[in-house]
Amino acid sequence: GAVVSQHPSWVICKSGTSVKIECRSLDFQATTMFWYRQFPKQSLMLMATSNEGSKATYEQGVEKDKFLINHASLTLSTLTVTSAHPEDSSFYICSAVGTPGSGSYNEQFFGPGTRLTVL
Amino acid sequence: DAKTTQPPSMDCAEGRAANLPCNHSTISGNEYVYWYRQIHSQGPQYIIHGLKNNETNEMASLIITEDRKSSTLILPHATLRDTAVYYCIVRVGGGNTGKLIFGQGTTLQVKP
Repeated sequence: GAVVSQHPSWVICKSGTSVKIECRSLDFQATTMFWYRQFPKQSLMLMATSNEGSKATYEQGVEKDKFLINHASLTLSTLTVTSAHPEDSSFYICSAVGTPGSGSYNEQFFGPGTRLTVL
Repeated sequence: DAKTTQPPSMDCAEGRAANLPCNHSTISGNEYVYWYRQIHSQGPQYIIHGLKNNETNEMASLIITEDRKSSTLILPHATLRDTAVYYCIVRVGGGNTGKLIFGQGTTLQVKP
């Protein structure tokens, strides 16, 4: 099946620094990737939709200047948490959808997640 | 997208069938029912999806009522590794136009 990876799997950073998280589709091309955030014992919350070659679409209440998303190729999207603070500590998960006409078009494949801890 | 209602938790004995219900009474004609599960500290895993017909794959079966207002995910022979949070989601269409909005899900505990 289609595989999505995330890097790093966990990261600890100091307050005020920026952290970049990568999401890669390993064996398929992904026109669209989604970014989610999950706090402990809560459900996943969709943050933004990332389309290759265009600006991301953010969900209501998500600060686009704080969570920078870049989707420069059909296999890579990045999420940068700028000026991170302890309240940004969370589990960040990406998912990817294959290109139209491909076998992976109608299904979202999720990455394993990245645990961010801001001290 | 239509909202879904699931029981917060369920138990199931190992080896028995696990039947997880989901209500989606406001579902529209072009909305699909998707099921995902999330094992602790991992990304969600796709299980199955359907529009109006019952579906079966190697993991589970999906039974959708004729009026499409509810569905049941069936794990035929639950194992301890099936312990997870199960999410029922309805969304418009497939592909990259269909956002997945996760509810609170059902925590399934499979017991020996």
